[in-house]
Amino acid sequence: DTAVSQTPKYLVTQMGNDKSIKCEQNLGHDTMYWYKQDSKKFLKIMFSYNNKELIINETVPNRFSPKSPDKAHLNLHINSLELGDSAVYFCASSQDRYGGGPGNTIYFGEGSWLTVV
Amino acid sequence: AQTVTQSQPEMSVQEAETVTLSCTYDTSESDYYLFWYKQPPSRQMILVIRQEAYKQQNATENRFSVNFQKAAKSFSLKISDSQLGDAAMYFCAYRLPSTGANNLFFGTGTRLTVIP
Repeated sequence: DTAVSQTPKYLVTQMGNDKSIKCEQNLGHDTMYWYKQDSKKFLKIMFSYNNKELIINETVPNRFSPKSPDKAHLNLHINSLELGDSAVYFCASSQDRYGGGPGNTIYFGEGSWLTVV
Repeated sequence: AQTVTQSQPEMSVQEAETVTLSCTYDTSESDYYLFWYKQPPSRQMILVIRQEAYKQQNATENRFSVNFQKAAKSFSLKISDSQLGDAAMYFCAYRLPSTGANNLFFGTGTRLTVIP
C-alpha cells in the first residue's frame, strides 16, 4: 500500500482552467504538506496542515487553495492556471508538526506533474 | 537564516565504485534531524537515510552511510558499490523541532550519474 498517494500523477491543462490535485495518507499522521518543485528542481513548501488546521501558508498566490476534509486528506485546488504554475507538486506527511523525536521524518508522495499550456 | 548547501551540482561514479556527496548546513540550533532524499527520474522523493543530530554514531542503511560532522555542520552521503539504480538527484535536508513554522530545509540537489 502506498503511504502517501496523490492523484493525478500527470495533468496537462490549458491556461485559465481550474484543477485539483488530491492527496491521501494512510500512515495515521497528523501533519500534511504541499511542496512545489520548479524546473530547477528546487523544493519549496506551500502549505502545511496539522489535524485539518492550516499552520503554514507560504507566499503563494491566492489562486491556490488547500482543503483538508480530514487529517488523512489534503487536496490542492488551483484556479485560473498560469504557465508559471507548471511544476511537480508533492504532497507529504509527518507524524507531527514539531519535527522532533520519531515523528521527524517527512514522507512524500510520488508527485503530480502539472503542465499548463 | 537556515540554509543547506550542496556544492556539487553533478557527480558521476563507475558502477561498483564508491561516491561521496557533500552537504553543509547552517543553523544555530543544537537539536535537529538530517536527511538524504533520492529523486529518480520518476520524480518520486524517496527517503534514503536519516541522522539525529544528538547521535554521534553515523547512520548506515545497507550501501548508504553518512559522515556527520556536527561541529563542521557537514553531512555527507557515501554510496558504496554503486548500482545503476542509484542514478538520481540527491537532496540533503534538515528539520528543526519547532512549533509549526516551516521546519524542513532542502539543498539544491546533486545529480548522480552511474556509469556502467
